[in-house]
Amino acid sequence: QKEVEQDPGPLSVPEGAIVSLNCTYSNSAFQYFMWYRQYSRKGPELLMYTYSSGNKEDGRFTAQVDKSSKYISLFIRDSQPSDSATYLCAMSRGYSSASKIIFGSGTRLSIRP
Amino acid sequence: NAGVTQTPKFRILKIGQSMTLQCTQDMNHNYMYWYRQDPGMGLKLIYYSVGAGITDKGEVPNGYNVSRSTTEDFPLRLELAAPSQTSVYFCASIRSGLAGNTGELFFGEGSRLTVL
Repeated sequence: QKEVEQDPGPLSVPEGAIVSLNCTYSNSAFQYFMWYRQYSRKGPELLMYTYSSGNKEDGRFTAQVDKSSKYISLFIRDSQPSDSATYLCAMSRGYSSASKIIFGSGTRLSIRP
Repeated sequence: NAGVTQTPKFRILKIGQSMTLQCTQDMNHNYMYWYRQDPGMGLKLIYYSVGAGITDKGEVPNGYNVSRSTTEDFPLRLELAAPSQTSVYFCASIRSGLAGNTGELFFGEGSRLTVL
């Protein structure tokens, strides 16, 4: 079983829609959860970072972590064509002795004008 | 600051050849990582290092070797290249452990490797 599972998509939605992206994981020791955005032929860049369970909001983006279900989500409100990219979840136990940062397989998102 | 610099950006290898992908960061980050990304896929961790002289295996270490003799440099060695190693390789760094950190991995621009 993979440690991190993510639906690869592709996902296509009209401009202005609310987008929901999700990941599940199997390692209950994960405490640090991140979402990265990757444009074609570029390196990933950090979008959101959360520790443990709960919600975090930053502009049009909201990250949710449900540790009891081992499930994390990223919501994008008022989606724009510029949001078209691949979105990767990432997670880690975070302690210095276990600093592996594991990524999901990425969801390709396309926002139709 | 240059950030994370990877060389070469592109390389074609023949089966059985060896090469080293170079990675240098100038941010004084302790933790460095090597990932590979196959077409349409996510990032798979190859090796990582939490400081000079310390390295550890990630999810897919077979066929690769690393060393970390300085804080700045984290080269990735491919021995006996195989077509399955055709991929884009990303080097990344972060200042320290995620506790008290922003969680932001700084990535290089990637090295595209083709093995024929």
